[in-house]
Amino acid sequence: NAGVTQTPKFQVLKTGQSMTLQCAQDMNHEYMSWYRQDPGMGLRLIHYSVGAGITDQGEVPNGYNVSRSTTEDFPLRLLSAAPSQTSVYFCASSYYGTGGLGGYTFGSGTRLTVV
Amino acid sequence: ILNVEQSPQSLHVQEGDSTNFTCSFPSSNFYALHWYRWETAKSPEALFVMTLNGDEKKKGRISATLNTKEGYSYLYIKGSQPEDSATYLCAANAGNNRKLIWGLGTSLAVNP
Repeated sequence: NAGVTQTPKFQVLKTGQSMTLQCAQDMNHEYMSWYRQDPGMGLRLIHYSVGAGITDQGEVPNGYNVSRSTTEDFPLRLLSAAPSQTSVYFCASSYYGTGGLGGYTFGSGTRLTVV
Repeated sequence: ILNVEQSPQSLHVQEGDSTNFTCSFPSSNFYALHWYRWETAKSPEALFVMTLNGDEKKKGRISATLNTKEGYSYLYIKGSQPEDSATYLCAANAGNNRKLIWGLGTSLAVNP
């Protein structure tokens, strides 16, 4: 089992560029989510999905789009990158909502720098 | 807004010491409490998910307790080892929308 696979691991973007962070899981988890982690702040939820075709906003959704066409994939799109989006991004999946008894499974993270 | 607070912010102990840290959360509409271990340059790994008041879970030398009535959870590490050095995160799941709210973590350094 690969678990949660995130790509790329590192990315540098220029202000205004767009890009997609990929996230795939092979555990048949219904719930998938994207977080960003910034120094001095807890993990903050960007967007989440409770199943294919269903997405919703988290606490910091502005500047990001998501879609969930399959159970396995949950890409995060940066529409027009800004320096404020410099962060480490984590994808996490679980059985619906609370993660059941196993908690959330995290990807390895993407370190994004916007210059 | 649900706030999750962890203390202490950081901790340095000697190999062999036992240690514990605290996660506090509002007790209303509580659903679940998660603990994660986060090593530097890696991603968070789930340790425990607890739901019931009085729950106590154990994995090797690490254990956790939960008090939902007063809104706190303790994580204990018995006989700390250098490989226990990591940030320990807790997250509370509560309210109608059941989203996890994360604490800032306790950073543990175990000196050999």
